[in-house]
Amino acid sequence: AQRVTQPEKLLSVFKGAPVELKCNYSYSGSPELFWYVQYSRQRLQLLLRHISRESIKGFTADLNKGETSFHLKKPFAQEEDSAMYYCALKSRGYQKVTFGTGTKLQVIP
Amino acid sequence: ETGVTQSPTHLIKTRGQQVTLRCSSQSGHNTVSWYQQALGQGPQFIFQYYREEENGRGNFPPRFSGLQFPNYSSELNVNALELDDSALYLCASSFRQEGYGYTFGSGTRLTVV
Repeated sequence: AQRVTQPEKLLSVFKGAPVELKCNYSYSGSPELFWYVQYSRQRLQLLLRHISRESIKGFTADLNKGETSFHLKKPFAQEEDSAMYYCALKSRGYQKVTFGTGTKLQVIP
Repeated sequence: ETGVTQSPTHLIKTRGQQVTLRCSSQSGHNTVSWYQQALGQGPQFIFQYYREEENGRGNFPPRFSGLQFPNYSSELNVNALELDDSALYLCASSFRQEGYGYTFGSGTRLTVV
């Protein structure tokens, strides 16, 4: 079975402070990991995927297979980063994507 | 390029009734997935459709069923509605190829009374 754990329901940081949203997963095979974001009154949208190793809006995430983690990081938080963030896992060759329960990021001015 | 559109946006049904939710996929996408999102929870996978066939199913009973049409649009049908079916139902389209993420619709809010 595949599982995604986001231990924090709410993370509050000051503007300019570093951000780390934690995500741990449980899956025996080779996973694909994603981060999705939902801004206020907007639809859920893809932020980044591990396979592309990209940086989007200053966010990065590295897949650590040893620790089964895919934490989302940003060195300096901005007010517009305030949103709900979901970590998601998809197993290769199978179409189901499992989402975590989400972390609400609140950036304090 | 058009995004994913869902209809209706809101719906109120009585326990025991049946409901059909609709989704038009993003232009060029060939796969549609349906998710149920209860309040305070992450989206839960219901099933996925590819080439008009169900291609993966989550832990949902058979009264949840779906269709995909040749133009890749899709329907989610729920029979014998229960109070616990009240949730936001999300449709997401994608390419079948590995590594691609979803494009989500804005969802249908279903309330069962």
